[in-house]
Amino acid sequence: DVKVTQSSRYLVKRTGEKVFLECVQDMDHENMFWYRQDPGLGLRLIYFSYDVKMKEKGDIPEGYSVSREKKERFSLILESASTNQTSMYLCASSLSPARNTQYFGPGTRLTVL
Amino acid sequence: AQKVTQAQTEISVVEKEDVTLDCVYETRDTTYYLFWYKQPPSGELVFLIRRNSFDEQNEISGRYSWNFQKSTSSFNFTITASQVVDSAVYFCALSENQQGAQKLVFGQGTRLTINP
Repeated sequence: DVKVTQSSRYLVKRTGEKVFLECVQDMDHENMFWYRQDPGLGLRLIYFSYDVKMKEKGDIPEGYSVSREKKERFSLILESASTNQTSMYLCASSLSPARNTQYFGPGTRLTVL
Repeated sequence: AQKVTQAQTEISVVEKEDVTLDCVYETRDTTYYLFWYKQPPSGELVFLIRRNSFDEQNEISGRYSWNFQKSTSSFNFTITASQVVDSAVYFCALSENQQGAQKLVFGQGTRLTINP
């Protein structure tokens, strides 16, 4: 079975803090994704990566950056957290462009005070 | 641009009723994939099905069935004899080709509540 894990289920941070959300997959998947989920807006793609050290902006990249130094790990970074970044963050991975089913982690509910 | 519409925001039925969740999509790609995911109260999205654009056969898996119709750009999901454990938010998604990867575009989700 595919296993995608995220470092925290719940996180509370203060405005202006630097926040790291970590995601690890154990199935040698090429592609990894970060989404945020907000009520009434569904899932929106923040960034994705199709290879180590490669990254592409999604639909809402402002205020975020990412890092993929190893194939299994994809980090989402909030350089200076703001209250409008309070959300549920979901990480996903897929094997390849041809095998494009995305498998999701359990999510991190981030609250920025 | 790709778009997925799930017009039903919330559905509530009594246990054992059949229920259909609608999904309508827009794409200019000739090859694409459609997906359904389930998000139970625990929060993790669970993959249910993937269908490619060349395969219009309906699919049945236990109490779940999917009806794909390219002519109406729809990929509807039916739960037969619903159970309380089916209560969740269900998302329909459409693939979008991008450099090196295939993104998914999600609908806004349908919250399904099955009452005992």
